[in-house]
Amino acid sequence: ETGVTQTPRHLVMGMTNKKSLKCEQHLGHNAMYWYKQSAKKPLELMFVYSLEERVENNSVPSRFSPECPNSSHLFLHLHTLQPEDSALYLCASSHPGQGRGGYTFGSGTRLTVV
Amino acid sequence: SQQGEEDPQALSIQEGENATMNCSYKTSINNLQWYRQNSGRGLVHLILIRSNEREKHSGRLRVTLDTSKKSSSLLITASRAADTASYFCATNLNSGGGADGLTFGKGTHLIIQP
Repeated sequence: ETGVTQTPRHLVMGMTNKKSLKCEQHLGHNAMYWYKQSAKKPLELMFVYSLEERVENNSVPSRFSPECPNSSHLFLHLHTLQPEDSALYLCASSHPGQGRGGYTFGSGTRLTVV
Repeated sequence: SQQGEEDPQALSIQEGENATMNCSYKTSINNLQWYRQNSGRGLVHLILIRSNEREKHSGRLRVTLDTSKKSSSLLITASRAADTASYFCATNLNSGGGADGLTFGKGTHLIIQP
């Protein structure tokens, strides 16, 4: 375990479903991120939260809705997804104030939209 | 647009040989990081090199950075079967104090033949 825990590990959902992905870290980091990893494409940054405030939204469709209730938890709420949204969704955390160290990633949620 | 781009896309070598992967990027950076990803899992931070550094070592890993050429290389010496994975470079653009998202390349898939 890396210290960043993502649940569930696998998720299959229909296009009309509503589901949520959860990410949790107890590393004392104050920034959290959502990335999307699709086959044969670079990791795509979706959302950045710093001190529980969203600081970046890279034109992500509104069917993805992030929530950061505190510095240890991050959610990604999913609603009316499309098959092309099937991918590995990765959560990461970091502490930018400490010499700009690397990110700590969770193991990801493998999402399949049917 | 994609910031980091790894080369080669795939590399297969014999166990015990050295593996070299390259990364090129387009804009000025604060630091460059290398990550490893085993199949379908999260990314693991390997090493970070700052823009004012030229070379860094960590165990069997050696990273170089040439800011004039906007390129970096990752050398893995005395490769082992367990080194089989995808390797990504990621760039951090932000020179300020806040959180920022890393920009990743498509990765190099390394296979170590026993």
